[in-house]
Amino acid sequence: QKEVEQDPGPLSVPEGAIVSLNCTYSNSAFQYFMWYRQYSRKGPELLMYTYSSGNKEDGRFTAQVDKSSKYISLFIRDSQPSDSATYLCAMSPRGGGSEKLVFGKGTKLTVNP
Amino acid sequence: ETGVTQSPTHLIKTRGQQVTLRCSSQSGHNTVSWYQQALGQGPQFIFQYYREEENGRGNFPPRFSGLQFPNYSSELNVNALELDDSALYLCASSQTSGHNEQFFGPGTRLTVL
Repeated sequence: QKEVEQDPGPLSVPEGAIVSLNCTYSNSAFQYFMWYRQYSRKGPELLMYTYSSGNKEDGRFTAQVDKSSKYISLFIRDSQPSDSATYLCAMSPRGGGSEKLVFGKGTKLTVNP
Repeated sequence: ETGVTQSPTHLIKTRGQQVTLRCSSQSGHNTVSWYQQALGQGPQFIFQYYREEENGRGNFPPRFSGLQFPNYSSELNVNALELDDSALYLCASSQTSGHNEQFFGPGTRLTVL
C-alpha cells in the first residue's frame, strides 16, 4: 500500500462548480498536510498548509483534515478556468523546510468555461 | 526576491551516460531538496542538502548524488542513466526553521533514450 493515495482523475467540471479533491494516507505519523497546484510545464506551488485535524479556508479554497480517518480534502468554490491544473496533496510528520514531503499522484482538473 | 531557478530546462541523453542538473535556491534559503516526478506521478524525494551536507535521502540508488555550494545552490548528478530515469527533476529551496514552505523551481525535463 502506498503511503499516500490520490485519485488521478482526470476531473472535468463546468465553470462555477464546486470541486472536491481527496487523498488518503496510511502513515499515522503525518501531522502536516499540504496542497500544491502544478500548471503544465511548471513546478508545484503551495496552495494550502494545515497542521493536524480541522479546516482551513483561504478565499475560494478550503482544506480539511480528518486524522481519525486518515483523509484530507481540498474544496474549490466557484471554480474558474484558471484553476485548471494538477493538484497534488503532500504530507510530512513534522513541519519546517527540512522535511521530506510525501506526495500523492496528483489529480488533473479541467474547468470548462 | 529571486525565485528558484533550474538549468537546463530540458535535455536528452542516452542510456549509460551521465548528467548534471543545477538549481539556484531562493534568496535567503539554506536548504535544497531534489524530487523526481515521473510522468503522471507525484514528486518523489531524492535527497536534501543543508549547509553543503546531505541531510536525508529517499529510496534512490547511489548513482544519484548531489552537491551543495557555499552560496546554497545545488547540483544533482546521475550516473549510468537508465530509461526509467526519464522524468521531471524538481528542486525546492527552503529555510529549515519554523513551518516553512518549500519553494519549487520549474524543473528540468530529462529524457533518456
